[in-house]
Amino acid sequence: DAGITQSPRHKVTETGTPVTLRCHQTENHRYMYWYRQDPGHGLRLIHYSYGVKDTDKGEVSDGYSVSRSKTEDFLLTLESATSSQTSVYFCAISESPDYQPQHFGDGTRLSIL
Amino acid sequence: EDKVVQSPLSLVVHEGDTVTLNCSYEVTNFRSLLWYKQEKKAPTFLFMLTSSGIEKKSGRLSSILDKKELFSILNITATQTGDSAIYLCAVWRGSEKLVFGKGTKLTVNP
Repeated sequence: DAGITQSPRHKVTETGTPVTLRCHQTENHRYMYWYRQDPGHGLRLIHYSYGVKDTDKGEVSDGYSVSRSKTEDFLLTLESATSSQTSVYFCAISESPDYQPQHFGDGTRLSIL
Repeated sequence: EDKVVQSPLSLVVHEGDTVTLNCSYEVTNFRSLLWYKQEKKAPTFLFMLTSSGIEKKSGRLSSILDKKELFSILNITATQTGDSAIYLCAVWRGSEKLVFGKGTKLTVNP
């Protein structure tokens, strides 16, 4: 299995609070991704990174920010969480997405009350 | 707008049956098509298809891509209860964008 660790695995918080999710990889892959998975929508890309300090937006980036200061860590931040951001969040990594698949972490279940 | 459509959305079969899952796509700048299996946690990679007409196989699972008709199928023969999962189809269109379908939920009953 790809060495991907997401933390925390579960979190319950209140509307308006800041939340940071962490993705840590041991594969030294260049590309890292954050997705959210919701019933009826499937997996949707939030943000991705193509190197240290190099990030870009996905299709559902509003309300989220990311940072990547080291190859192995990719952080997703909800500056002021809303109930619509209740979801399961997956991190994925890839060495070379044109030729290699993305591999996923086990996910973080986030509930915002 | 890029689209990946999977059918059926759900399927219930008995152990030993053969199933075919479908994935059609309309995506600009197609590069490859991927299949994943998702049980309770992370989607796990099954196949990556880039060339039309070449079947990929792994045990009882196989998949083929038709780039002319813009679809792929995933076959599972002699199904087992452990095959119960959501099967996800995704298309890699470059620009670091992987577009997912909504998945097919397969339930295999003993």
